[in-house]
Amino acid sequence: GAGVSQSPRYKVTKRGQDVALRCDPISGHVSLYWYRQALGQGPEFLTYFNYEAQQDKSGLPNDRFSAERPEGSISTLTIQRTEQRDSAMYRCASSLAGGGGSPLHFGNGTRLTVT
Amino acid sequence: QQPVQSPQAVILREGEDAVINCSSSKALYSVHWYRQKHGEAPVFLMILLKGGEQKGHEKISASFNEKKQQSSLYLTASQLSYSGTYFCGLGGETSGSRLTFGEGTQLTVNP
Repeated sequence: GAGVSQSPRYKVTKRGQDVALRCDPISGHVSLYWYRQALGQGPEFLTYFNYEAQQDKSGLPNDRFSAERPEGSISTLTIQRTEQRDSAMYRCASSLAGGGGSPLHFGNGTRLTVT
Repeated sequence: QQPVQSPQAVILREGEDAVINCSSSKALYSVHWYRQKHGEAPVFLMILLKGGEQKGHEKISASFNEKKQQSSLYLTASQLSYSGTYFCGLGGETSGSRLTFGEGTQLTVNP
């Protein structure tokens, strides 16, 4: 079946603008994760959901970042008042179940550039 | 705390073996291994859960030493397709589904 789908693939925005990144997980996957990956680095955890409930948002850098998954499927990561340091690859992943025992299936990511 | 992977990079000839290590300063509950090729998403290889087991998948296997808080990934008789960056992701007992990834090990397999 289809994998994790993210849109847009690329986003260029000006400093101070808000952006919304979308993630469509694999159908039936309970858990959805947002990671940020700098070039040459491993993915850095931001937040995750089980169904529609946000279980852990400890990785969100500050209150400009928020995420939601209102119906337990598609999720949106929103960054308000973007800054240049927000530039990165934002990856979404989903897994059949939570708890660390299920493989993460990553999407192709959204490359965000803040000018 | 971020796990430490070693080596940072390794270059092999096709058919050679390699070991990639992943160490943590915290007690481990789960270890995930992923491979990422340039410009692509990380792809799942295997999971090991608390218990010190060893898992295998064709010529790629891994071990999980709970006492040493370390996992190792073994690649035997490497193929060109094994090239990429390998990441370990660690889950703690209280961190639930949150994985903390290492900085990666860049593996290059040459003909």
